[in-house]
Amino acid sequence: DVKVTQSSRYLVKRTGEKVFLECVQDMDHENMFWYRQDPGLGLRLIYFSYDVKMKEKGDIPEGYSVSREKKERFSLILESASTNQTSMYLCASLTGQEGYGYTFGSGTRLTVV
Amino acid sequence: DQQVKQNSPSLSVQEGRISILNCDYTNSMFDYFLWYKKYPAEGPTFLISISSIKDKNEDGRFTVFLNKSAKHLSLHIVPSQPGDSAVYFCAAREEGDDKIIFGKGTRLHILP
Repeated sequence: DVKVTQSSRYLVKRTGEKVFLECVQDMDHENMFWYRQDPGLGLRLIYFSYDVKMKEKGDIPEGYSVSREKKERFSLILESASTNQTSMYLCASLTGQEGYGYTFGSGTRLTVV
Repeated sequence: DQQVKQNSPSLSVQEGRISILNCDYTNSMFDYFLWYKKYPAEGPTFLISISSIKDKNEDGRFTVFLNKSAKHLSLHIVPSQPGDSAVYFCAAREEGDDKIIFGKGTRLHILP
């Protein structure tokens, strides 16, 4: 089974802090994604990456950046955390199996105070 | 502009009855449609998918129906069980694109 591991389940950070959310997958997948989930808004794509050192903006990239130095690791960075970035953050890896779609991590519930 | 729409934010169904979750889409280039299930404080998990060349796919208690002319799909759960209480996301992929577009989700409550 593919595993996508997010390093923290819960985080509390202060406004203005730089925040790193880490995600690791163990199946050598090329495509990785960061989403945030908010009530009533569903899952919104922040950034994605097709390969090492490659990144593409999703629908809501403002206030975020990403890093993909190794194939298995995809990091989301909040440059200066704000209260409107309080959310559930979900990392996903794309399987090669047709029709299957993503495998998600367990999520990181980030609260910015 | 929402390409994948789930117009019912929530749905309550009696245990043992059929749950029907609906989804509409606007992009005729979508070639795969997927349903994910999400419990609180967990990541979504894949449930079932259907290719655009089919109109039905079944997996145990779960069946997905696709009506391409109406740009509509539905997920049927029969019989509904307490563990089915969760948020269900409808999603779609365009041919050749690795990004998946999600709807806003429908919260399903199974009543005892």
